Amino acid sequence: AQTVTQSQPEMSVQEAETVTLSCTYDTSENNYYLFWYKQPPSRQMILVIRQEAYKQQNATENRFSVNFQKAAKSFSLKISDSQLGDTAMYFCAFSPYNTDKLIFGTGTRLQVFP
Amino acid sequence: GAGVSQTPSNKVTEKGKYVELRCDPISGHTALYWYRQSLGQGPEFLIYFQGTGAADDSGLPNDRFFAVRPEGSVSTLKIQRTERGDSAVYLCASSQGPGGHNEQFFGPGTRLTVL
Repeated sequence: AQTVTQSQPEMSVQEAETVTLSCTYDTSENNYYLFWYKQPPSRQMILVIRQEAYKQQNATENRFSVNFQKAAKSFSLKISDSQLGDTAMYFCAFSPYNTDKLIFGTGTRLQVFP
Repeated sequence: GAGVSQTPSNKVTEKGKYVELRCDPISGHTALYWYRQSLGQGPEFLIYFQGTGAADDSGLPNDRFFAVRPEGSVSTLKIQRTERGDSAVYLCASSQGPGGHNEQFFGPGTRLTVL
């Protein structure tokens, strides 16, 4: 079975600091995509960052970057210079090349404090 | 342009009733997905449409759940004989096409409560 595990139910960080959210996944596939989604209280899921498994270079999007370790099946998200607007649930997700569905973890609730 | 919209935003029904949840995808998006998010959990895949046809319905939990997309745009998720365990937020997403290289854009969801 393909699963995604987020072992940190809650995290907190002070504004302007850096925080890292963890994610591990289990699959026998060699080609797949990995994602981090943000879900604020409004419920609307927003894509934060995406990584293709065949790319060794870690993806970055402004203050957001990932540490992708394919052999360890680990995909952590680093948020730099945290802002109050980063407060949300963060979901790690996985999608094999041969399917179109997203498989989500249980999420990490991030609270950014002033 | 408008994003993915879902109606109603909230639906309260009684056990045993029939409900329909609607999703309006982004104009031009051929792929449409339904997910279910139970309290404290991540979204779980239900069904995926490419155009008018259901390309993957492996996530539908049982035959009480059915979804249609007759004209390849708007989709309706139908739940018969609702049960309390069906209570969840139902999310819809659309993308330009299949594959993980096409970003899935999510709607705000419909919160279904079965009393």
